[in-house]
Amino acid sequence: AQTVTQSQPEMSVQEAETVTLSCTYDTSESDYYLFWYKQPPSRQMILVIRQEAYKQQNATENRFSVNFQKAAKSFSLKISDSQLGDAAMYFCARGSGNTGKLIFGQGTTLQVKP
Amino acid sequence: DTAVSQTPKYLVTQMGNDKSIKCEQNLGHDTMYWYKQDSKKFLKIMFSYNNKELIINETVPNRFSPKSPDKAHLNLHINSLELGDSAVYFCASSPRDREYGGYTFGSGTRLTVV
Repeated sequence: AQTVTQSQPEMSVQEAETVTLSCTYDTSESDYYLFWYKQPPSRQMILVIRQEAYKQQNATENRFSVNFQKAAKSFSLKISDSQLGDAAMYFCARGSGNTGKLIFGQGTTLQVKP
Repeated sequence: DTAVSQTPKYLVTQMGNDKSIKCEQNLGHDTMYWYKQDSKKFLKIMFSYNNKELIINETVPNRFSPKSPDKAHLNLHINSLELGDSAVYFCASSPRDREYGGYTFGSGTRLTVV
């Protein structure tokens, strides 16, 4: 099965600290994309960061970075200097290079403590 | 504003009714999608259209019928609504081919069937 697994249903972090959210995936495709989306209580899906599978360099967006281990099919998200506004549900997703469809993980709820 | 807009944002209806959710994007994207987020927050693709052509139909009951009058619009019509149809439905769009990092989601429609 072409699945995406987030093994941490809930995580918490102290404000200004660093937290890492885990994600593993399974695919037989060679051309695919990986994403982290944030969903706050407003339910809007917000793109946090993306990674093309053919790129070896890990993507970085300000305080957000990924650790992409292609052979291990692992794609973790690191949030540095956590802020109260980072509290949300985070979804890892794999995008098919053939069809464009996204397969989502189960989500990780992140709590940020002041 | 450039965006993916869905209407209505909330929909409460009785079992057995027929309802539609509308989606429009002004981003010039070729591909549009419908995703369903269930009560456990799990997101799964339902349909995908590329320039008005159906690309993906993921084992969705026949009561769900997408319609794409043009590449900027993808509507979802649901017949004979059931309690299990209660969920949040997201419309999304993306550029075609390899630029799948450009997914943009609408704000979602919360459907409640009573």
